[in-house]
Amino acid sequence: LAKTTQPISMDSYEGQEVNITCSHNNIATNDYITWYQQFPSQGPRFIIQGYKTKVTNEVASLFIPADRKSSTLSLPRVSLSDTAVYYCLRGSARQLTFGSGTQLTVLP
Amino acid sequence: EAGVAQSPRYKIIEKRQSVAFWCNPISGHATLYWYQQILGQGPKLLIQFQNNGVVDDSQLPKDRFSAERLKGVDSTLKIQPAKLEDSAVYLCASSLGGTGANVLTFGAGSRLTVL
Repeated sequence: LAKTTQPISMDSYEGQEVNITCSHNNIATNDYITWYQQFPSQGPRFIIQGYKTKVTNEVASLFIPADRKSSTLSLPRVSLSDTAVYYCLRGSARQLTFGSGTQLTVLP
Repeated sequence: EAGVAQSPRYKIIEKRQSVAFWCNPISGHATLYWYQQILGQGPKLLIQFQNNGVVDDSQLPKDRFSAERLKGVDSTLKIQPAKLEDSAVYLCASSLGGTGANVLTFGAGSRLTVL
């Protein structure tokens, strides 16, 4: 199975930038990196996806170095409502496997 | 657009009973996934359909779990007989499918408690 490794938890304060790094050493050529956010009692929600270099959308940025063995999700100026579990996935059409995720807690 | 619909939202049964969960994906999404999420863990893929064919069911406990996607639209996941360790949230997701990147849209999930 396509595994990823993330920190179990992170704390931050409102207004700070948060960077969550995911390791995926055995990434395949066809694999994309996708990040999801999950609140309690809800299904995961898509945040951002990339293949290499940098991708930015209205809520986050995703940095993927040239070797693609890791990726970093960047959340600018987090708020209390960003408290959630963040999952990094690698895969393409198949083998979309979730890891244990990173519990981000934003403090006032 | 309408999201992924799942029912029931909650179900409580006793061990050895059976249960069924239903999922209606986003219209036009060819790929449908069932995930099991145990409290405190990430979702675990149980089965993946492409239209009405099974793409991956390697982690489905086939002695007690079954799933079907007749006509390539909605899907049913059944557990028979249920065990205590089946207590979890069962998440359905869908995507456009095909090769390359897949973005999954999840339903709210069906929470199963086995007593």
